[in-house]
Amino acid sequence: AQTVTQSQPEMSVQEAETVTLSCTYDTSENNYYLFWYKQPPSRQMILVIRQEAYKQQNATENRFSVNFQKAAKSFSLKISDSQLGDTAMYFCALCGTGANSKLTFGKGITLSVRP
Amino acid sequence: DSGVTQTPKHLITATGQRVTLRCSPRSGDLSVYWYQQSLDQGLQFLIQYYNGEERAKGNILERFSAQQFPDLHSELNLSSLELGDSALYFCASSVVGDSYYSPLHFGNGTRLTVT
Repeated sequence: AQTVTQSQPEMSVQEAETVTLSCTYDTSENNYYLFWYKQPPSRQMILVIRQEAYKQQNATENRFSVNFQKAAKSFSLKISDSQLGDTAMYFCALCGTGANSKLTFGKGITLSVRP
Repeated sequence: DSGVTQTPKHLITATGQRVTLRCSPRSGDLSVYWYQQSLDQGLQFLIQYYNGEERAKGNILERFSAQQFPDLHSELNLSSLELGDSALYFCASSVVGDSYYSPLHFGNGTRLTVT
């Protein structure tokens, strides 16, 4: 079984500041992928960033980067230069590579960017 | 726009009724996933189809069923509806059957309210 835990229900950040969203996970698989998805008020789930567990280098996508700590099973998302459009719910997710792998989501964290 | 189309956007029905949710995947995507999002349970994986065949099953109730048709669109049937079935139902699609390999593209969801 695999689990994803997002313990912070909500966070707030000032526009242009940096914020870090936490996520921990558990899996018995040796190889797996980690994701951050964004759900704005429009409801659509949008992939923000993806990390392959066997890659030591942290993934980066423009203002979004991750801090992947494999031994600690931690996968945090850093948003730099926060923008009002970043206001959304953010979900951490995990997918193993075994047979019938499926994407497991955390409960999400609501991020509000203040003007 | 993800290219995944879900209809209807909103559905209000009474307990005991049966509804059908429809999903058209992104052009070229062979795999369709169904997720249920509720406030207390978060995003729960229900079922996955790949090229017309059931690929993986999650926490899908026996009252729920799904299928993927030859044109690759999918339908999720919910019967004997209960108040607790009120939720946002997402469909997602991907090119291949492994959700870690190719990113999932989500539709805007169907908001189901059972009264």
